[in-house]
Amino acid sequence: SQQGEEDPQALSIQEGENATMNCSYKTSINNLQWYRQNSGRGLVHLILIRSNEREKHSGRLRVTLDTSKKSSSLLITASRAADTASYFCATGLSGYSTLTFGKGTMLLVSP
Amino acid sequence: DGGITQSPKYLFRKEGQNVTLSCEQNLNHDAMYWYRQDPGQGLRLIYYSQIVNDFQKGDIAEGYSVSREKKESFPLTVTSAQKNPTAFYLCASSPQIAGGTSTDTQYFGPGTRLTVL
Repeated sequence: SQQGEEDPQALSIQEGENATMNCSYKTSINNLQWYRQNSGRGLVHLILIRSNEREKHSGRLRVTLDTSKKSSSLLITASRAADTASYFCATGLSGYSTLTFGKGTMLLVSP
Repeated sequence: DGGITQSPKYLFRKEGQNVTLSCEQNLNHDAMYWYRQDPGQGLRLIYYSQIVNDFQKGDIAEGYSVSREKKESFPLTVTSAQKNPTAFYLCASSPQIAGGTSTDTQYFGPGTRLTVL
């Protein structure tokens, strides 16, 4: 079964609003990463948070990690139409050398 | 101009044919990966390679084969044994796998969309 599961599956907001996506996982991790995919394109890495970190920021992105709840959230502040994409979380597991991706959240930001 | 490239962008295959998808990187990365993505689904790992002349099966390796003769190249062959090959295929690379216990950021190519006619 997939390690990471994003919630919600789809999210529709207006420009200027904040968008929050969540990711839950099942076992201990080394790190959790968020990626963005524009339609029909490859994935682009956004941010990596390690298991001993609780929060990271990058521009308009804020990622939190709660290892006790086995969950992470990605917050995009002041959303723009250009943020329209699918967002995936990926987990790096202890003892494994690959990432496991969730099914993603489709974000639509309307002008 | 460093990066990871995939070709072709679109590929059409008749049933019963083998096809090879190209993946090249000039990032000097040790590790390379092949994923399959179906509509509305996440990425599923087909094969990965941590070093030249070595590769491991991922979650859905049946019907696929790979080679890693050069550091910069990791071609994927979709064989006739793959029952449902129509999908979007993504190649990725990462700098190294640190002791097998953590994973670096992965850098993705633009993808190849394979359609079986």
